[in-house]
Amino acid sequence: GAVVSQHPSRVICKSGTSVKIECRSLDFQATTMFWYRQFPKQSLMLMATSNEGSKATYEQGVEKDKFLINHASLTLSTLTVTSAHPEDSSFYICSATPGEGAHGYTFGSGTRLTVV
Amino acid sequence: GQQVMQIPQYQHVQEGEDFTTYCNSSTTLSNIQWYKQRPGGHPVFLIQLVKSGEVKKQKRLTFQFGEAKKNSSLHITATQTTDVGTYFCAGLSSNDYKLSFGAGTTVTVRA
Repeated sequence: GAVVSQHPSRVICKSGTSVKIECRSLDFQATTMFWYRQFPKQSLMLMATSNEGSKATYEQGVEKDKFLINHASLTLSTLTVTSAHPEDSSFYICSATPGEGAHGYTFGSGTRLTVV
Repeated sequence: GQQVMQIPQYQHVQEGEDFTTYCNSSTTLSNIQWYKQRPGGHPVFLIQLVKSGEVKKQKRLTFQFGEAKKNSSLHITATQTTDVGTYFCAGLSSNDYKLSFGAGTTVTVRA
C-alpha cells in the first residue's frame, strides 16, 4: 500500500529558530501533498496544499511567510516553520494519495513540534 | 467553504455495547472517508463511501452514506478495547480534492 514517511517525529527548538519537516511518498509519486496542523484533542486543520513544481496553496489565515512549503520533486514536500514561537507548538501531519483522493489519503506519522 | 460537523465529540462506551457517530456536511460531497487515530498516532484510512445511500461493513463497523451525499454515520457493534481512539469523518470536495475533517469522536471503553 501507499506509504508516506515524515521526519522528524519530534523536535524541540528555541524561539526564533526555524524547523524543517520532510514528507516523502515512498512507493508512489505525489504531485500534491497536504499539510495539516492538529492541536491536542482537536481535529485536523488543513494548512496548505503543496503542489509539485509550483507554489503551494495556503488556506485562509495561514501565513505564507511563516510556513514555507517546497515541493521540489514528486516524492518530497517540506514544511519549514520560520522564526518559530511557542504558539507554533503543535502536531504537524502531511498526507498524500496515489490517486486524487478517491481511495483515501495516506498520512505521515506526524511531527510533534515544541518551541521553547 | 465546506464544513463537516461530527457528533458526539466524546463517546464513553461499556465494552460489548454499540455506538454510532454521525457526520453532516454543509455541501454535497464527492465522497466521504473515515479515519481512525489512536492516541499519539496519526490518522489511518478506514474506508470511503462514494455512492448515494451506500452501506459498507468492516467486521463490526458499519458505514453509511446518506442519499443526499451530505451525511454519514459509523456504527460499531460489540465495542472492544481495541476500538479506543478518535474516529474522523472527512468529506472530499469534488472541486479541489481537499479533505475537510469533522471534529472527531473520541471513544473510550470501560471493561
